[in-house]
This record gives sequence, structure tokens and C-alpha cells, in this order.
Amino acid sequence: GDSVTQMEGPVTLSEEAFLTINCTYTATGYPSLFWYVQYPGEGLQLLLKATKADDKGSNKGFEATYRKETTSFHLEKGSVQVSDSAVYFCALRKNNQGGKLIFGQGTELSVKP
Amino acid sequence: EPEVTQTPSHQVTQMGQEVILRCVPISNHLYFYWYRQILGQKVEFLVSFYNNEISEKSEIFDDQFSVERPDGSNFTLKIRSTKLEDSAMYFCASSEAGGSGNTIYFGEGSWLTVV
Repeated sequence: GDSVTQMEGPVTLSEEAFLTINCTYTATGYPSLFWYVQYPGEGLQLLLKATKADDKGSNKGFEATYRKETTSFHLEKGSVQVSDSAVYFCALRKNNQGGKLIFGQGTELSVKP
Repeated sequence: EPEVTQTPSHQVTQMGQEVILRCVPISNHLYFYWYRQILGQKVEFLVSFYNNEISEKSEIFDDQFSVERPDGSNFTLKIRSTKLEDSAMYFCASSEAGGSGNTIYFGEGSWLTVV
């Protein structure tokens, strides 16, 4: 079945370090890909998305490129801040009516000053 | 910005009791969802709802679960006889349309503790 796999956490970085969180997916057809973020004690917020191959989603300095050839959607940020500390979820959504999101297991990021 | 709202934010219930979690989706959205997240684990799909009926449900969504849209604005999840393993954060979500590129928006969650 369809699935999403993320790199294991927790990831601990110093402020201003470069961030990569790996995400790969398995799916038939042409899903859209999403990154959601969950800050401590809060719900899930959309961070960025890409709806077709080679699209790049970006928001708040984060970027991810939809790579169909490697079935990947890695999240990157050039310089992380303490306020980026959160759990990041990669997810896919298929193009069928009412399609559900399928989430990866989440990667916890902790940024130290 | 419009948002999905959920109540209660936290509920403690005794095993075997019925629980109703309430949600108000974004007003022009047509697709509604419930997900759950057991502490420290991944976010799991429970059920999707469109046009006043369930469009898909997961293996988790067994006979003890039900959903309802009792009026034009609320969307509820009922757990008939709660078990300890039902303790989790339950997220309501909604989407304007069902196509893959449409964003699904989540509420803040209802934390259910079964004792």
C-alpha cells in the first residue's frame, strides 16, 4: 500500500545550522506531497506542498522539491532558528475524491541556541 | 484566516463510557476527516466524510466509532465504549475539495485520556 518514510529523530542542531529531513514515499499514481509541522502543544499546520514532479514548495525559509525519480520530498532549511523546534511530518495525498493524507512517522527537531 | 475548531481540548473519561468529540470545519469545506495520534506516534487516518456519508474508513474505525454531521456546521466523532487504548489526540480536519492538491486543514486537537 501507499506509505511515507521519514528519517529517524530526534534531530538536534545548533541555531543557524543547515537542516535536511529526509522523506521518501511509495505510491501508485501521482500523489501530492506535503510537509506539516506540529509545534509543542499545538495542532498540525501546513508548512508547504508540491502537487507534481519537479515542483518546489517553500515557506518560512523551508523548501522541498518533489522528485519522482527518487520518490523523495526532502525538507531543507538553510539556517534554522530555535523557534523551528517542532515535529515535522511528511505526507502524501492521492488524487481520488476525498483522498486522505498518509503521514510519515514524524521527525522531531530540536534547535539549541 | 478561517480555521477548524475542536471541543473539548481535553477530556478525561472512564473506560466503557461514551465520548463525543466535536468539530466545526471551515465553512465552505466539503470533505471532513478524523485522525488520531497516540502519544509519540504517527498521525493515523480514521475516517473521511463527504456528502453526508463515510467515503473511507481505516481498520481502526471499527463499530465502536461513528461520525455524524448533525447540522450544517458541526462534525462529531463518537466513541461508544472507550478503551484504555483509545487514549490519544484526535484531530478533526477539513478540505475544500477532494483532489490531491487541495490542502487539508487541521484543528488543534482534542486530547482524550481514558482511565
